[in-house]
Amino acid sequence: SQKIEQNSEALNIQEGKTATLTCNYTNYSPAYLQWYRQDPGRGPVFLLLIRENEKEKRKERLKVTFDTTLKQSLFHITASQPADSATYLCALDRSLRFSGGYNKLIFGAGTRLAVHP
Amino acid sequence: DARVTQTPRHKVTEMGQEVTMRCQPILGHNTVFWYRQTMMQGLELLAYFRNRAPLDDSGMPKDRFSAEMPDATLATLKIQPSEPRDSAVYFCASAEDSTGNTIYFGEGSWLTVV
Repeated sequence: SQKIEQNSEALNIQEGKTATLTCNYTNYSPAYLQWYRQDPGRGPVFLLLIRENEKEKRKERLKVTFDTTLKQSLFHITASQPADSATYLCALDRSLRFSGGYNKLIFGAGTRLAVHP
Repeated sequence: DARVTQTPRHKVTEMGQEVTMRCQPILGHNTVFWYRQTMMQGLELLAYFRNRAPLDDSGMPKDRFSAEMPDATLATLKIQPSEPRDSAVYFCASAEDSTGNTIYFGEGSWLTVV
């Protein structure tokens, strides 16, 4: 069956360090992958999208890689700050390939990041 | 600042009661989603609409859940009768089109069924 795996344990890092979060998937051929941030009591907020033909995407201090051979995406936050503390969700969509072009995002369970001063 | 609006934000109800959650998608967005989030299951897609037509509701328990879009500015998710296992946060989200654009989530409706 299709599966998206993110580290269930919280990631604790020191301010200023680079945080790296992992998203692995099986039995999927996603057309693209997205990363979202979710703060407690709030809805997820879109951060980055990377397509299957892209290896890397950057936005300010964020960097996402997408390895379709390894079936893995890595999400990096450089120069992390306490304000980056949140849960980060990855989401995959395969529907462009299989379902006639509509959006059906499937989310991972998320990894909680805590950045300590 | 365009955003998805959901009501109610919080709801406590007794088992067996009907619950209706409402969502106003971002103006101009033609794709609307309903997700449910729990600690155990994470974010699950319940249903979604494109141009008000239901495209997929396979994630929704059919016997008690129903989702509709009476018009382009309103989506509803109804649970009748509600059960304690329905306690979760229900998110509505919208997207400009259906080809991989950003999905914008509302702040969620926190439902507790006692």
